[in-house]
Amino acid sequence: AQSVSQHNHHVILSEAASLELGCNYSYGGTVNLFWYVQYPGQHLQLLLKYFSGDPLVKGIKGFEAEFIKSKFSFNLRKPSVQWSDTAEYFCAVNEGGAAGNKLTFGGGTRVLVKP
Amino acid sequence: KAGVTQTPRYLIKTRGQQVTLSCSPISGHRSVSWYQQTPGQGLQFLFEYFSETQRNKGNFPGRFSGRQFSNSRSEMNVSTLELGDSALYLCASSLVGSGDEQFFGPGTRLTVL
Repeated sequence: AQSVSQHNHHVILSEAASLELGCNYSYGGTVNLFWYVQYPGQHLQLLLKYFSGDPLVKGIKGFEAEFIKSKFSFNLRKPSVQWSDTAEYFCAVNEGGAAGNKLTFGGGTRVLVKP
Repeated sequence: KAGVTQTPRYLIKTRGQQVTLSCSPISGHRSVSWYQQTPGQGLQFLFEYFSETQRNKGNFPGRFSGRQFSNSRSEMNVSTLELGDSALYLCASSLVGSGDEQFFGPGTRLTVL
């Protein structure tokens, strides 16, 4: 079965610091990759997605992610975080095809940005 | 465009009861998926409905069931509630197809006493 691992459960950093969150998945075939964010008290929102093409994808709010097929990784980055980036971040994978729209999520990373 | 809506937002039930949760997808979206979110297990896929047919099912017992209506609205039902069913139940909708971007609703917080 597909599995998704997020290496850090909690990250604490100061404003203006750079952020990188790791994500690895187990499926060896073609996948669609997503990063979702859940701000305190709000619902899950899509940050960015990768279906095909350029492995460096840009999302909303200055976030980007790089797909490295050989490493089964899809790491999220932001060069300079703000206090408003405090949230929980989820990596998710979809296998497409018969899997329909089923998403397998990583365990999430709680990010706290100190002002 | 209105987002995904879920009703009710909060529910308190006792063990052994059953519960029905409702989800209205974004207008025009034909796929509805349900997820369970708990602190211990994280986000887990329950099932997906597309054009009134269950297309996929996660690893949950048969007490968890769902359906989709012709207007794409979906309901999920949990029978014989257990304490461990306490969770946030999320609904997500997609326009069409496989591997599509999903839009999530605010969730229904179910507490089982």
